[in-house]
Amino acid sequence: DQQVKQNSPSLSVQEGRISILNCDYTNSMFDYFLWYKKYPAEGPTFLISISSIKDKNEDGRFTVFLNKSAKHLSLHIVPSQPGDSAVYFCAASALYNQGGKLIFGQGTELSVKP
Amino acid sequence: DVKVTQSSRYLVKRTGEKVFLECVQDMDHENMFWYRQDPGLGLRLIYFSYDVKMKEKGDIPEGYSVSREKKERFSLILESASTNQTSMYLCASQDRGLREGYGYTFGSGTRLTVV
Repeated sequence: DQQVKQNSPSLSVQEGRISILNCDYTNSMFDYFLWYKKYPAEGPTFLISISSIKDKNEDGRFTVFLNKSAKHLSLHIVPSQPGDSAVYFCAASALYNQGGKLIFGQGTELSVKP
Repeated sequence: DVKVTQSSRYLVKRTGEKVFLECVQDMDHENMFWYRQDPGLGLRLIYFSYDVKMKEKGDIPEGYSVSREKKERFSLILESASTNQTSMYLCASQDRGLREGYGYTFGSGTRLTVV
């Protein structure tokens, strides 16, 4: 039972354009969502997060949107840069249900072409 | 500034060997986790621990065990390594009080190859 799904295994965009990475979830108890970025041979690093009481959070070039009715979140990167090329993982957590443990999606590999 | 350290970046082991993967964090976090990453499968939780001497099975515990004798150290043990355990192994820690948000701090990972 995949509670967090990233249905696009890969995405390719041109430098300077917008990258949109999508994530769907099934558990309505999730109250916090995060995005992690991972380069090859390195551990994932935290990128941005959003609480379920919000619908948008912005940090520089990165914006996360949450649509609770659709159980969908997305990460927008504007403008995309070659250094953004990495695997992006969506994660969700339900504090009172799962004690803060994160459930991860399958990941989307983003490639930004110069 | 290193916070979560995994003892080896790359390991090659033979089928049937007992393998120890070590993880140490210096942030005084209570919660620690072991995941494995495989292409197309994302990060899958093997075991986790919310306190010393405490352990809980994750989604794929078969073939693995763990040890948490000290707060800062969480070890993953492959009792008898098999080729299907070839993977990237990631350790993470988290503050129980979630004072830093829900986020994990990950180690750099151990790429294990079983031949």
